[in-house]
This record gives sequence, structure tokens and C-alpha cells, in this order.
Amino acid sequence: GQQVMQIPQYQHVQEGEDFTTYCNSSTTLSNIQWYKQRPGGHPVFLIQLVKSGEVKKQKRLTFQFGEAKKNSSLHITATQTTDVGTYFCAGPPGAGSYQLTFGKGTKLSVIP
Amino acid sequence: GAGVSQSPRYKVTKRGQDVTLRCDPISSHATLYWYQQALGQGPEFLTYFNYEAQPDKSGLPSDRFSAERPEGSISTLTIQRTEQRDSAMYRCASSPGVGGSTDTQYFGPGTRLTVL
Repeated sequence: GQQVMQIPQYQHVQEGEDFTTYCNSSTTLSNIQWYKQRPGGHPVFLIQLVKSGEVKKQKRLTFQFGEAKKNSSLHITATQTTDVGTYFCAGPPGAGSYQLTFGKGTKLSVIP
Repeated sequence: GAGVSQSPRYKVTKRGQDVTLRCDPISSHATLYWYQQALGQGPEFLTYFNYEAQPDKSGLPSDRFSAERPEGSISTLTIQRTEQRDSAMYRCASSPGVGGSTDTQYFGPGTRLTVL
């Protein structure tokens, strides 16, 4: 079945440093979504990418969908302590599927 | 309601007991999902409903797991004869449309199940 892999599993950064997490799917994705889960919280939707090569920005966050629609990345510029949490990517296992397969997430720690 | 709510927030049970978890989705949301999330892992799909219909049960780990949404709003997830490996966070999510995986999913706070 479909596998969604994220690296790194953990990342510790000094406040102000940049951070990137990478997501790779074993299958081509019709879309990819990113979620953020704060410690003790629940996943919160950040963004959805649909088009090949698409790049979207949300303030200090930049999301990219690969040309082959099998990989994606999330880049945070100048991290802040409010960025702490686990970032998950998720994509459907097949066209028209309602399911989302989540990666294991990248846990970001920001050292003040 | 303002968001997805789940009850109870915590449930401790003994192996072999049945448990029922409840999810109240955002009002008027058509689609409701159940996920199981182990510690340090991402949510894993269990099942979903479009209103009261349950088109996909493929993620349910065994026939001890069942879910209902009889009136197309509130949903319950029942685990019969619980086993220790069932211990996890159970999350419910809802989305407004019936558009499939492209709809934004809004997650609830989850029910932390511990089976002793």
C-alpha cells in the first residue's frame, strides 16, 4: 500500500534559524496536505497543494509540491518558539479516495 | 458547534471490556472520519462517513471495531473485547463537503484510550 515518509523525524533549531521538513510518497498524489500538531494538541490544517510544482507561502512558511507530485517540503524561515510542534504531511492513497495517509511527522523543537 | 468535540477525553478500561467513544462533528459537516494515533505517529485512517453512509471501513483493524453515525451527525466508535494493543489516541475529524480528500479536515481533541 501507499507509504508516506517524512524526514527528519526530529529537528532541534535555535530560534531564528530556518527549518525544513521533507515528505515523500511511494505513489503519485492528487493532492498533499500539511498539518501542525502542537504538544498535547490535535492536528490543525495548514495548507493543501494540488498542482505539480506548486509553491505556496504563509508568512514565514513555504510549501512546495514536487514536479512528479510524489514529494513535498515545508520550509520555515527564522523559526520562533510558536513554531514548536509536529508537522505532518498527508495524501490520499488513490484518486478519488477519501482517506488520507499521514506521515509519521517531524517534531520541531525551538531553543530560545 | 464551534469545533469537533469528543468524549470521553480519557478512558481507562480492562482488557476484555467493551468501550464506546463519541464524536460530535462541526454542525452541518457532511463527512466524518475516525483515526487512530499512536504516540509519536501520525493519525491512521480507520473509517469515514458521508452523512449516515459508511462507504469505507477498510482501516478498521479487526471486526472488534465498529462505528455508527445513524442520523448523519454524532458518531460512535465501539471497540469490543479490548486488547492492550488498542491503547492509543482515537481522533475524529469532520469536513464540510463530500468532496473527498481535497476537503479540509477539522480534528477533535481525541480520546486517549488505555487498556490495562
